[in-house]
Amino acid sequence: NAGVMQNPRHLVRRRGQEARLRCSPMKGHSHVYWYRQLPEEGLKFMVYLQKENIIDESGMPKERFSAEFPKEGPSILRIQQVVRGDSAAYFCASSPPIETGGNTIYFGEGSWLTVV
Amino acid sequence: AQSVTQLGSHVSVSEGALVLLRCNYSSSVPPYLFWYVQYPNQGLQLLLKYTTGATLVKGINGFEAEFKKSETSFHLTKPSAHMSDAAEYFCAVREYGNKLVFGAGTILRVKS
Repeated sequence: NAGVMQNPRHLVRRRGQEARLRCSPMKGHSHVYWYRQLPEEGLKFMVYLQKENIIDESGMPKERFSAEFPKEGPSILRIQQVVRGDSAAYFCASSPPIETGGNTIYFGEGSWLTVV
Repeated sequence: AQSVTQLGSHVSVSEGALVLLRCNYSSSVPPYLFWYVQYPNQGLQLLLKYTTGATLVKGINGFEAEFKKSETSFHLTKPSAHMSDAAEYFCAVREYGNKLVFGAGTILRVKS
């Protein structure tokens, strides 16, 4: 039973390039969350998605960042025109539908983005 | 809005000693509380959670935590530290939906 799968695990981008981070939730999970962990800080919520819907994007920076969770395929966190301050670990998490009793979020191994 | 405070960004204990990691929360609704552990360059692993019912919650690797509503606390304990417990520990409270608010984390160091 595979867990939350993230790729790539490590990504290096030059300033101004685009970064795409992918996340496949656990089987049966329809809710996906993205969190960012900056150096020496805890995890900060970015966005909460269900299939084809953004439920809560209150933690997303207003510019350059976007997320999607299409009907088919993984969730993608996209960062355009990356800057050094985007260097961080990006964690994806998933949970089953709340209405079926899902109250535990399971995290992936993370994607470490380094902007040079 | 919910918030979490973890007292002590670094805690150091000797192997075999009691581990106590402190967590206080604020929540306007009955809280769901979680402890996660993170090893270097890895993701977060759920240690234990409190939703409803028994206030003393047992988790993996010998850890447990007690929900104390009057103190708005959810401290994590382990009777005897092991070298493999060295990691960073995060307390979190659930907001609406399944959105989690995390504390800043506590790095646990275990001395031999």
